[in-house]
Order: sequence, then structure tokens, then C-alpha cells
Amino acid sequence: EPEVTQTPSHQVTQMGQEVILRCVPISNHLYFYWYRQILGQKVEFLVSFYNNEISEKSEIFDDQFSVERPDGSNFTLKIRSTKLEDSAMYFCASTSVQIASETQYFGPGTRLLVL
Amino acid sequence: AQSVAQPEDQVNVAEGNPLTVKCTYSVSGNPYLFWYVQYPNRGLQFLLKYITGDNLVKGSYGFEAEFNKSQTSFHLKKPSALVSDSALYFCAVRANNAGNMLTFGGGTRLMVKP
Repeated sequence: EPEVTQTPSHQVTQMGQEVILRCVPISNHLYFYWYRQILGQKVEFLVSFYNNEISEKSEIFDDQFSVERPDGSNFTLKIRSTKLEDSAMYFCASTSVQIASETQYFGPGTRLLVL
Repeated sequence: AQSVAQPEDQVNVAEGNPLTVKCTYSVSGNPYLFWYVQYPNRGLQFLLKYITGDNLVKGSYGFEAEFNKSQTSFHLKKPSALVSDSALYFCAVRANNAGNMLTFGGGTRLMVKP
């Protein structure tokens, strides 16, 4: 069964450093998403992406964040200058179509720790 | 705005007994409701969803959920719990007029004891 994959599984970084989280969506999917879950809190939507453009973003997704599809398979989330409060589990998801009833399939997540 | 509430942080049940994990939601349009499960060190796995039609939805691993519009609820159920069902369960909602984002509840930890 096709799966969304994410690398790395864990990342530790110093405050102020840039990090790039990588995702490989399911191969025939065209719509991509990032969510995050701060420890003990809800899973929160960050951004959705289609056709090389952001289609929707939340208030969390400020200028420190960016997303990119650098090639035909990867989808990345970059945090330019990490803060302590960026420590969280980051989940990538994908769907084949963009309708509200469509299931979003999630990857295993990247646990980011900012020191 | 849309929101989801999972009123129980943890549900404990004995193996073989029925289980219920509660979820209530609030949306302004027609809701699409989802249940996901998260096992330790794993991602969010899709269990089932309600789109329209029959209020009782059947999903993976013997789970089912009942959509109740009047009570704005979508409780997850299983007739006979297994120890392997122990995990973190998330309810999520998306309204048909609310864009792409899923809104999640806080999660409920299900503990099934032998």
C-alpha cells in the first residue's frame, strides 16, 4: 500500500538555525499539506500546496516558514530561523484531489527539537 | 470556524468489552468527519470517515462510528476491544465550505487491558 514518507524521523537543532523537513507524498497525489503537533497539544494545520503554489495557510505559517516541491517526488518544509517554540512533531499529508470529503494520508512525522 | 472536542483524555477498557471514544464537532457547513489512529512512533493512520448517507460508518480493524447530526457527534466504537487497539485516537472535521484544512480534536488515549 502506498505511503507518505518523511525524513528525518528526528532532528535536533540549535535556536536560530535553519531546518528542512522532507516528505515524499503518495506518487499520484497532487495536493500536499503540513501539520504540526506541539507535545501535548492538538494537531494543527500549517499549509496546503498545489501546482507549485500555496493554496491555503494558517496564522502559524509566518515568514519563517516556506514550502517547496524541488523535484517530482519531494515536498519540503523549511524553517529559516528556528525558535524554541518550533519544537514539535511535523506531519506531511497528501491527497489525490482537493475536495472536502477526500481523505488526507499522513506520513510518520518528523520530531523537531530546538535547543 | 470549525472545532472538534474529544472530552476524554483517556479511555480504559478490558479486552473483549465494547469501546466508545467520544467526539463532538462544530462547523458552519456540512461536516466531513474523520477518525485517525496513532500508534507509538508512527504517523496518523486513517480509520474511517463520514461523508453522507448512512449514519453508521464502518472502517478498518473492526471500528465503526456513528454520525449524529442533532447531537453533532461522531463517536468511534468497536464491539470487542483488543489489546492491540491501544493507541491515540484523533477525531477531525472539515466543512464543505472551509477549504483544505482538517481541524483535529485533542486526541484520546485508548488503553485496552488484558
